[in-house]
Amino acid sequence: SQTIHQWPATLVQPVGSPLSLECTVEGTSNPNLYWYRQAAGRGLQLLFYSVGIGQISSEVPQNLSASRPQDRQFILSSKKLLLSDSGFYLCAWRSRTTNEKLFFGSGTQLSVL
Amino acid sequence: AQSVAQPEDQVNVAEGNPLTVKCTYSVSGNPYLFWYVQYPNRGLQFLLKYITGDNLVKGSYGFEAEFNKSQTSFHLKKPSALVSDSALYFCAVRGSGNTPLVFGKGTRLSVIA
Repeated sequence: SQTIHQWPATLVQPVGSPLSLECTVEGTSNPNLYWYRQAAGRGLQLLFYSVGIGQISSEVPQNLSASRPQDRQFILSSKKLLLSDSGFYLCAWRSRTTNEKLFFGSGTQLSVL
Repeated sequence: AQSVAQPEDQVNVAEGNPLTVKCTYSVSGNPYLFWYVQYPNRGLQFLLKYITGDNLVKGSYGFEAEFNKSQTSFHLKKPSALVSDSALYFCAVRGSGNTPLVFGKGTRLSVIA
């Protein structure tokens, strides 16, 4: 069966520090991968999605970036965090070949102080 | 561009009463519609989806949703609410192909005993 791993679960970082959040998927190949951010327990904002290795689509311009170095690995990064980057970050995947639903990771609560 | 509107930030229902959480959408072509639920500090859990076929879709935990093409709506319903149904509910839509899933801002459901 397929599983998605996202870590860390919580992270407290000072303003100006770098960020790296990692997400991996097991039990499937060629997934579509997504990063969402949720602010203050409300709406989900799509940040990035990827349909293949090295292919990244950015939905919102900001100081975050994403990379997909391997088929089932999706990384969210920042060189210098801002206070406004605080939020709950969710990784998700879905099969490219079916009309399947999105499967979400357990999320990372990021606090930038 | 696709979009989702959830007009109610909060819905309060007495336990045992029917509940409805509203959702309208905008998308080019045929819609792929989803409902997800989120409990505090957790990832999103899939409830149900509409891809094609019967307009009334049944999902997890006794929830159902009705697809109405003329009104571009996909309201979530349950005949008898439970206190344990209290959570944040998200409606989402995407078009065909690799288009990403776009979420509404969420509706907080409170079921009162």
